[in-house]
Amino acid sequence: QQQVKQSPQSLIVQKGGISIINCAYENTAFDYFPWYQQFPGKGPALLIAIRPDVSEKKEGRFTISFNKSAKQFSLHIMDSQPGDSATYFCAASGGGGGLTGGGNKLTFGTGTQLKVEL
Amino acid sequence: GAVVSQHPSRVICKSGTSVKIECRSLDFQATTMFWYRQFPKQSLMLMATSNEGSKATYEQGVEKDKFLINHASLTLSTLTVTSAHPEDSSFYICSASSGRENEQYFGPGTRLTVT
Repeated sequence: QQQVKQSPQSLIVQKGGISIINCAYENTAFDYFPWYQQFPGKGPALLIAIRPDVSEKKEGRFTISFNKSAKQFSLHIMDSQPGDSATYFCAASGGGGGLTGGGNKLTFGTGTQLKVEL
Repeated sequence: GAVVSQHPSRVICKSGTSVKIECRSLDFQATTMFWYRQFPKQSLMLMATSNEGSKATYEQGVEKDKFLINHASLTLSTLTVTSAHPEDSSFYICSASSGRENEQYFGPGTRLTVT
């Protein structure tokens, strides 16, 4: 119920291409879906996030597509660059709330290692 | 905005000693802080959630007496690994949330090596 399934595990894209990473969730109480980018030896950085009241959100080259009925969301990186090579994690939270902060406890996907080649 | 720092970035300690890791929210007040552990090429594993002024809530399987968490102020949380053993070697990452939204901002992580 709390799992977030992420695919693919690894991805190689040519420079200028589109990188697509997919996630699926089970818990219908989730109401916040962020994507994080992590470089080796660093903490994750919030890239972009979406809430279920919209089907798409775009920030620069990064777009989240959200399908509430299918319980799926995906990250699209347009014009992928070598500097985008990193591990990407999807996550989900919500449904708990309260003073314990349980409502914003993140459930992470397993991660996707993206490599953008020249 | 939304900057979270961690100190130290790297620490090496001997087996049996204790190590304290600090997590600070630099430009916002963090009502909730989270501590994660990450093994190489794996996802983040939540260890505990702490709210300012109250006891931390630990995830199942995490020893509360081994991983002591203190959230004494709205900008500082500490994780103390007590009686460290080599299997505690890992990358420890904190995150902070202001509580207004679900957003969590992560620190840069602390690499702990226990020899």
